[in-house]
Amino acid sequence: NAGVTQTPKFQVLKTGQSMTLQCAQDMNHEYMSWYRQDPGMGLRLIHYSVGAGITDQGEVPNGYNVSRSTTEDFPLRLLSAAPSQTSVYFCASSQGQGGLETQYFGPGTRLLVL
Amino acid sequence: ILNVEQSPQSLHVQEGDSTNFTCSFPSSNFYALHWYRWETAKSPEALFVMTLNGDEKKKGRISATLNTKEGYSYLYIKGSQPEDSATYLCASDNYGQNFVFGPGTRLSVLP
Repeated sequence: NAGVTQTPKFQVLKTGQSMTLQCAQDMNHEYMSWYRQDPGMGLRLIHYSVGAGITDQGEVPNGYNVSRSTTEDFPLRLLSAAPSQTSVYFCASSQGQGGLETQYFGPGTRLLVL
Repeated sequence: ILNVEQSPQSLHVQEGDSTNFTCSFPSSNFYALHWYRWETAKSPEALFVMTLNGDEKKKGRISATLNTKEGYSYLYIKGSQPEDSATYLCASDNYGQNFVFGPGTRLSVLP
């Protein structure tokens, strides 16, 4: 099993550009989520999905869109990048939502917006 | 949004020292508390999940306790080794809320 994979590992964008961060998991997990990690702060939830076709907003959703057309994939789209979106982005998956479920994290995507 | 706090923010110990740090979380509607270990340039990896007041979990030299009534958990590392150097994250799951992570405690173990 590859677990949770993310691409790209590193990206530089100019303000206003758009891009999609890819996330895939091969564990048949229903729950997937996106977090951003900024210095001095914990992982903050951007969006999450409890299954294919179902998505919802987390703590910091503004400026990001998601979709979940398959169980395996959960891409995160930045529609018009801003310097405030410079961060490290982690995708995670688990069998179910919260509670006793262990989340498995991808390797992260480091994004720099100039 | 829940407020999950961790202290200290960072910690330096000598190899062989034992150490501990704290995670504070809202006790109302508490369901589960998770600890993760996050090494530099890697992904966070699960250490423990605890649900019951008084729970104690152990994995090798690392152990954790849980007090759900007062809303805190301690993580202990006995005889720290350089390979224990990492950021330790806790995350609280409360009914009706999404998983919320604390800011982490960064541990450096000096040889």
